Amino acid sequence: LAKTTQPISMDSYEGQEVNITCSHNNIATNDYITWYQQFPSQGPRFIIQGYKTKVTNEVASLFIPADRKSSTLSLPRVSLSDTAVYYCLVGERNTPLVFGKGTRLSVIA
Amino acid sequence: GAGVSQSPSNKVTEKGKDVELRCDPISGHTALYWYRQSLGQGLEFLIYFQGNSAPDKSGLPSDRFSAERTGGSVSTLTIQRTQQEDSAVYLCASSRVAGGGYNEQFFGPGTRLTVL
Repeated sequence: LAKTTQPISMDSYEGQEVNITCSHNNIATNDYITWYQQFPSQGPRFIIQGYKTKVTNEVASLFIPADRKSSTLSLPRVSLSDTAVYYCLVGERNTPLVFGKGTRLSVIA
Repeated sequence: GAGVSQSPSNKVTEKGKDVELRCDPISGHTALYWYRQSLGQGLEFLIYFQGNSAPDKSGLPSDRFSAERTGGSVSTLTIQRTQQEDSAVYLCASSRVAGGGYNEQFFGPGTRLTVL
């Protein structure tokens, strides 16, 4: 299973764009890149998934370079409610998720 | 509609006792997963059920852990002879698994298990 590396923590002010980069040098051909968000005392929640290039939904954008060895989750204009832990996961679709320790994002007013 | 529900929300037990944790997945979801999360850590996969296939038990940490899924719906995770290191939040997730696309996992609120 491909291992991921992401920053332990990040701070941002409200209204700023936040970019969280994840490294996955050993990603396999069948692996997808998926991001989940977790608030305290709650289970994780799916944010976005991609295979290559750029994916955008109503919550975030995911940028994946051609070599797929890294990816960047972009959160536009964060608010206090975006304070959470963000997990980058790499693996085949519809299989058990392999979580690292994630990135703890703190949004400051 | 209703999401994934788990019960109890909190469980405190003494070392050596058995515990049962319950998960009610979203109706119609054929895949069910159990994970556990220790304090400040990411989630650790335990077991995976998909339809009528044999479950993937590769994540179970010891033979004290077992799980079953009755009628393709409700699942119970059983921990026998609990140890203090079993203390964690146990999370259940379900997904639809249909077609070739990605089927996101929907997580329940978890059961916080404390072994004294």
